[in-house]
Amino acid sequence: DIQMTQSPSSLSASVGDRVTLTCRASQSISSYLNWYQQKPGKAPKLLIYTASTLESGVPSRFRGSGSGTDFTLTISSLQPEDFATYYCQQSYSTPPTFGQGTKVEIK
Amino acid sequence: EVQLVESGGGLVQPGGSLRLSCAASGFTFSSYWMYWVRQAPGKGLVWVSRINSDGSSTRYADSVKGRFTISRDNAKNTLYLQMNSLRAEDTAVYYCARVGNDQADYFDYWGQGTLVTVSS
Repeated sequence: DIQMTQSPSSLSASVGDRVTLTCRASQSISSYLNWYQQKPGKAPKLLIYTASTLESGVPSRFRGSGSGTDFTLTISSLQPEDFATYYCQQSYSTPPTFGQGTKVEIK
Repeated sequence: EVQLVESGGGLVQPGGSLRLSCAASGFTFSSYWMYWVRQAPGKGLVWVSRINSDGSSTRYADSVKGRFTISRDNAKNTLYLQMNSLRAEDTAVYYCARVGNDQADYFDYWGQGTLVTVSS
C-alpha cells in the first residue's frame, strides 16, 4: 500500500495568515492526490482533487499543487471557518490511502 | 441535492453483527462507485470497502476481509455493509462516500456517519 505522510501534524495560525500543508507519498502517484477538510463531529469535505483542481463551491483561497511524491495545500488567507483538520488521500492505486491529518488551530 | 444518509450503527458485543445502510438521493445512484470509510475515535480516515456501480466488483481492506460484505441495491438506491465477527478495533464512525470520478477515486460526497461501538 502507498503510505501518505502529512506535515506538520498540527499548526497554530492566526486569521489572515498564509498556511502551507505538506503531503508526501511513499512512491510516485502522478497527480492522483486529493485534499479534504474535516471539522469536529462532521464528515470530511472534498476541497481539491487531482492535486490542483478546486472542487465546486470551495473558496479560491485554497490552492493545491505538486506531482509525483510531494504535494502542498496552501490557504492564502486563513479564515475563522478554516480551522479544521486536513487530510490528503492518494487515488493512484487501490487501496486509497489517507495521510494522518494536519490539524490547523487558532493561535 | 446529493444526500447520503447512513443508519444501522450502535453498540454490539464482540463477535456480534451489524448491518449498515446508506440511503442515496439526488443523483443516479446506479452510475457511481461507492466506498465505506471508517474513522476510529480521535484517529484518521481508513478505507474499508469498495463496490462498483453495478455491484459486480468489490474490494476489502485486509483488516475486514472475510468478515465484512459490501453490497448495493440500485433499485432502492441503497448501499450496505454487513459486518460480522466484530472486534473492538472495529469501533469507529463509518461513512459511506461517493466516488466522484472512477478514473481518479476521490470522494465528492460523504454521509454524516454512523457510530459503531464494539464492547462488552
